[in-house]
Amino acid sequence: DTGVSQNPRHKITKRGQNVTFRCDPISEHNRLYWYRQTLGQGPEFLTYFQNEAQLEKSRLLSDRFSAERPKGSFSTLEIQRTEQGDSAMYLCASSLGQGARETQYFGPGTRLLVL
Amino acid sequence: AQTVTQSQPEMSVQEAETVTLSCTYDTSENNYYLFWYKQPPSRQMILVIRQEAYKQQNATENRFSVNFQKAAKSFSLKISDSQLGDTAMYFCAFMKHKTMDSNYQLIWGAGTKLIIKP
Repeated sequence: DTGVSQNPRHKITKRGQNVTFRCDPISEHNRLYWYRQTLGQGPEFLTYFQNEAQLEKSRLLSDRFSAERPKGSFSTLEIQRTEQGDSAMYLCASSLGQGARETQYFGPGTRLLVL
Repeated sequence: AQTVTQSQPEMSVQEAETVTLSCTYDTSENNYYLFWYKQPPSRQMILVIRQEAYKQQNATENRFSVNFQKAAKSFSLKISDSQLGDTAMYFCAFMKHKTMDSNYQLIWGAGTKLIIKP
């Protein structure tokens, strides 16, 4: 399967701990997006990479959040000093980068529960 | 800023029936794209259908079709001959046609939970 993959699929942590999620996009895709989805809501944009450059961050992404995409391949999303309000599904999507006609393909998500 | 509204939190129909999910949006853009995504329980988001705003013809994909009314800013999804496997959350999403920074982020509605009953 060469789709978007995310690890781990589930993460339970205690408040105050740091967590890191990984996203492996489809291999030839140069754009990568992170979204957050809380229960009963649609996803919300967090941040976006074109190759290795992080080009935009949402105001939702506080300074406790950091994302990287070294070498323009996989990406990591780290949350420091987790809070209960960080509990959500974190979705990763990738696209070819052909402009507005492209389609975003999603991974299965990482579900985070902060106790 | 763009917003997407899905006014039906949940819908339920019998297998083989036709169902229509509603979506309205607000934007000052003239060119944009609209999408319906499907998220089955505990499974990943899958694109169902997309519509370019500059096209008057409504998009169709097998049993799925849209009714795009640009002036009314309405974008409904019709599912014909519904199947048990259509049970899922359905999200309507908006994307700008052209951005300065090539950020084609999707702006999402809250979703409609569709249940197909046997």
